[in-house]
Amino acid sequence: DTGVSQNPRHKITKRGQNVTFRCDPISEHNRLYWYRQTLGQGPEFLTYFQNEAQLEKSRLLSDRFSAERPKGSFSTLEIQRTEQGDSAMYLCASSSTEVSNTGELFFGEGSRLTVL
Amino acid sequence: GDSVTQMEGPVTLSEEAFLTINCTYTATGYPSLFWYVQYPGEGLQLLLKATKADDKGSNKGFEATYRKETTSFHLEKGSVQVSDSAVYFCALLTTSSGTYKYIFGTGTRLKVLA
Repeated sequence: DTGVSQNPRHKITKRGQNVTFRCDPISEHNRLYWYRQTLGQGPEFLTYFQNEAQLEKSRLLSDRFSAERPKGSFSTLEIQRTEQGDSAMYLCASSSTEVSNTGELFFGEGSRLTVL
Repeated sequence: GDSVTQMEGPVTLSEEAFLTINCTYTATGYPSLFWYVQYPGEGLQLLLKATKADDKGSNKGFEATYRKETTSFHLEKGSVQVSDSAVYFCALLTTSSGTYKYIFGTGTRLKVLA
């Protein structure tokens, strides 16, 4: 168990460019979550998957944001036509639906996006 | 909608002082409640949890009791250490809409001075 892995750890881009982040969850976890965190704030829910199905997406999420989990394993979060307001830490987390699971979310270390 | 409200920081304490960080929630149904901690330069990690009313979660000397009547889950520690300096997040797991969504508070920064 290597934990939740996110790449890249830091991305600097110019306004208007597209960026993609990848998340590899803990291998046996079937739920995968994306959050956004800005300075001084708590994680803000973006979307989550159970296996390959995207079950909920925040109504606050612009249509420039899209997430996929094609085989129920890793996930990608793409932001198109980035804006300076997209600058934030993007967090991925995973959990298991096993009966014995405590409901704990396991977080990666995040991908920091800076839009110039 | 479901939400979590926690006291604003920063909280600055001397070593061995008593700590309380307040957290209240709004939720339909019966959420599970969590405290997560984020140490400098690290990712969020679970500190403790409680899944039903009157449950007490505890870990590393921290405790929190699920109080349904006051919709609260306050974090306490009897004697803080410098190594407890971190940001603490209260969170709930809501399943009221048939999905499993974790909602976090804004975080409370704790600084413990030697």
